[in-house]
Amino acid sequence: DAKTTQPTSMDCAEGRAANLPCNHSTISGNEYVYWYRQIHSQGPQYIIHGLKNNETNEMASLIITEDRKSSTLILPHATLRDTAVYYCIGRFQGAQKLVFGQGTRLTINP
Amino acid sequence: ETGVTQTPRHLVMGMTNKKSLKCEQHLGHNAMYWYKQSAKKPLELMFVYNFKEQTENNSVPSRFSPECPNSSHLFLHLHTLQPEDSALYLCASSELPGRSADTQYFGPGTRLTVL
Repeated sequence: DAKTTQPTSMDCAEGRAANLPCNHSTISGNEYVYWYRQIHSQGPQYIIHGLKNNETNEMASLIITEDRKSSTLILPHATLRDTAVYYCIGRFQGAQKLVFGQGTRLTINP
Repeated sequence: ETGVTQTPRHLVMGMTNKKSLKCEQHLGHNAMYWYKQSAKKPLELMFVYNFKEQTENNSVPSRFSPECPNSSHLFLHLHTLQPEDSALYLCASSELPGRSADTQYFGPGTRLTVL
């Protein structure tokens, strides 16, 4: 699985877009980029995943660079409930193991 | 609400006790997982079950004993634990192991304290 690098912490104002970066320069062609988040002491919540193309769902958008060495998770209109630790995970196609790093602690400020 | 439930949500036990954690998924999935999250550490995979068969044991001490009687239920039996085993224990499930994008969905976790 690709090693991913994320900033330790970020702040964002409520109502603004939160853009969370992730570097995965060693990612392989068949590795997906997954995003989860964990609100304090709860189970991780799946957000989105992608392989090559940008993806969007009801929670967020995932922008993957053309060379696939980095990606950005976008929460379009952040709310206080989006305060959490966000994990970017590289995962081989068909692999069952999710390898969580330290993630980015995102704080949404009123 | 992810469709994965865990009981109890909180558990305090002594080192000589025997207890069990329960996980149930209501998603029709075929793979179930146990993860451990110690304070200020990343989540660590403990066990994987595919179609009720254990397919991965991530060098977990024998004082943790998993059981998967069917694809919907997963247990973690605990005995003679140590204080350093205190952690958040998380259960997850996924639809089809080995499929290209098989997303795991997590339960709320059991907060375990070993005295």
